[in-house]
Amino acid sequence: QLQLQESGPGLVKPSETLSLTCTVSGGSISSSSYYWAWIRQPPGKGLEWIGSIYYSGSTYYNPPLKSRVTISVDTSKNQFSLKLSSVTAADTAVYYCARQGRGEVLFDYWGQGTLVTVSS
Amino acid sequence: QSVLTQPPSASGTPGQRVTISCSGSSSNIGSNYVYWYQQLPGTAPKLLIYRNNQRPSGVPDRFSGSKSGTSASLAISGLRSEDEADYYCAAWDDSLSGPEVFGTGTKVTVL
Repeated sequence: QLQLQESGPGLVKPSETLSLTCTVSGGSISSSSYYWAWIRQPPGKGLEWIGSIYYSGSTYYNPPLKSRVTISVDTSKNQFSLKLSSVTAADTAVYYCARQGRGEVLFDYWGQGTLVTVSS
Repeated sequence: QSVLTQPPSASGTPGQRVTISCSGSSSNIGSNYVYWYQQLPGTAPKLLIYRNNQRPSGVPDRFSGSKSGTSASLAISGLRSEDEADYYCAAWDDSLSGPEVFGTGTKVTVL
């Protein structure tokens, strides 16, 4: 059974960079059929797709966040990572990693999510 | 900010049928598949419907999806208490607003 697990600091200071890692177990991140995505949800609000990466390193991002987001992949560790720079309180959210069907808005496996709070 | 609009809430009594709408445009729902996600309180979203009307294995047939033009709907028949959750539609968007967009979300309450 495929499992995804987010890890990283739960508290980040304003203007700093948020960094999270998603570890994939029970399957290979190098599958040709899937992308790997980051999605976030501010407290009490809806879902926002952040960006996605293919095992080859090909990425695409949500335009409003594109200038601040970097997603990378480490196939040797079966992990992919998120970096979001210049964070503000508006970036406080539960961050989820998920497996995405290639070419689809189909997220079929999700991590449990991790709350990241931006505060001094 | 979302380009997919859903009613904020919907409700029904056990056994009733509840329908949730998702309104978009020609650049998203009008030209791409629609997906639906269920988010139970305090948990990660779960894929409920893919490619407009397909159910992943394990999803009860009480849940059904449909699409017409630039709108889509999720129907829950035989409503049960465990269906109380937030529901989100999603679609690929061909415009500059972003490849993947989620709907605004609908809270379903079982009365």
